[in-house]
Amino acid sequence: DAGVIQSPRHEVTEMGQEVTLRCKPISGHNSLFWYRQTMMRGLELLIYFNNNVPIDDSGMPEDRFSAKMPNASFSTLKIQPSEPRDSAVYFCASSAVRALGEKLFFGSGTQLSVL
Amino acid sequence: QQQVKQSPQSLIVQKGGISIINCAYENTAFDYFPWYQQFPGKGPALLIAIRPDVSEKKEGRFTISFNKSAKQFSLHIMDSQPGDSATYFCAASEVGGGADGLTFGKGTHLIIQP
Repeated sequence: DAGVIQSPRHEVTEMGQEVTLRCKPISGHNSLFWYRQTMMRGLELLIYFNNNVPIDDSGMPEDRFSAKMPNASFSTLKIQPSEPRDSAVYFCASSAVRALGEKLFFGSGTQLSVL
Repeated sequence: QQQVKQSPQSLIVQKGGISIINCAYENTAFDYFPWYQQFPGKGPALLIAIRPDVSEKKEGRFTISFNKSAKQFSLHIMDSQPGDSATYFCAASEVGGGADGLTFGKGTHLIIQP
């Protein structure tokens, strides 16, 4: 299995532009997560999908952020318009089931820089 | 509100030494305590985990020590090697929670000097 696949690996954009991050979870996994990592705040859960349905988006910082999961093998995180404070590493992760102790599998992340 | 407090923020250890990273929590409903390891340019990966029914769990050179009464748990890396240089995150989740309930510490940047 190739693991969780994210694209692009790096994204540099200018303030005000739309940014779309993409994720392909591990085949057969039912849960998908988007995290943001910064030095100041560490790893923050942005949104969580179970069986393609958004369950908890309370971590999405603002209405500028939106996420979709149109099918079991693809998800997007969109920022529109982007701002310099959105600069961070964004991780997608998946897990097989929703259960205590379930292992999270992370992708390699997208390094986003908003100038 | 930071539910899992991790320290130190950074740590330098000589090769062969013992690396110790500490975490503390307040929520008594936490019932699962994993540690994730992250190498530069990669996502975090599960390293080792413990449930509160045991006070210690060992896997190779990595050991979790758990003190339920103090609400603290720690990661010990014995015979630390340069390849252990990474960022380590502790985490916790509640009874009945899944991976969506994981609360992460802010991470410890560990450097093992040769």
